[in-house]
Amino acid sequence: QSVLTQPPSVSAAPGQKVTISCSGSSSNIGNTYVSWYQQLPGTAPKLLIYENNKRPSGIPDRFSGSKSGTSASLGITGLQTGDEADYYCGTWDGSLRGDVFGGGTKLTVL
Amino acid sequence: QLQLQESGPGLVKPSETLSLTCTVSGGSISSSSYYWGWIRQPPGKGLEWIGGMSYSGTTYYNPSLKSRVTISVDTSKNQFSLKLSSVTAADTAVYYCASRILYRNIFDYWGQGTLVTVSS
Repeated sequence: QSVLTQPPSVSAAPGQKVTISCSGSSSNIGNTYVSWYQQLPGTAPKLLIYENNKRPSGIPDRFSGSKSGTSASLGITGLQTGDEADYYCGTWDGSLRGDVFGGGTKLTVL
Repeated sequence: QLQLQESGPGLVKPSETLSLTCTVSGGSISSSSYYWGWIRQPPGKGLEWIGGMSYSGTTYYNPSLKSRVTISVDTSKNQFSLKLSSVTAADTAVYYCASRILYRNIFDYWGQGTLVTVSS
């Protein structure tokens, strides 16, 4: 049981938009920054979004992040088959005094 | 940019100690901006944070693993290490090392990961 709650899977057609949610609490998301990671099949996770809504160099603007209260969201527009991956939210939990991840969401581009 | 590479045995016997090393290149492990972390992923499952250590010696451990985990940093070799004692089959996973920017909750660089299987 992960501290951060994500839907196990989402799907959409190529070219469409999808949103992945990440629900936490006041001890984690509600009190600090959220990051998002993309894990393509058979590879290590890669930083996708940091500080709630910022993109590292090289990440296309089709990927966006937002946070409101104790929840965060990752949005992907103009879906491509290459976006099929597992997506994880992550942050610091002040009560646990450690980093926590969501359970991950598998994106399928139909 | 940083590059991280895990190394260590791919097979560990139950009840023994799992030992992995992460070699950092492209930057100094003595940076005050980071802690050096370990994350694992059991086959077909999600990411689990294990813990980390800053070069100054501050440690951060997952409460559920804390009694079995030791993380250390060797600045002379630009490496950091993970030891996980009394392993069971439940510790079978891909183990990743990663650099974690302090106060910003960012794992910015990851190693490729190494599969460790616990089996007799």
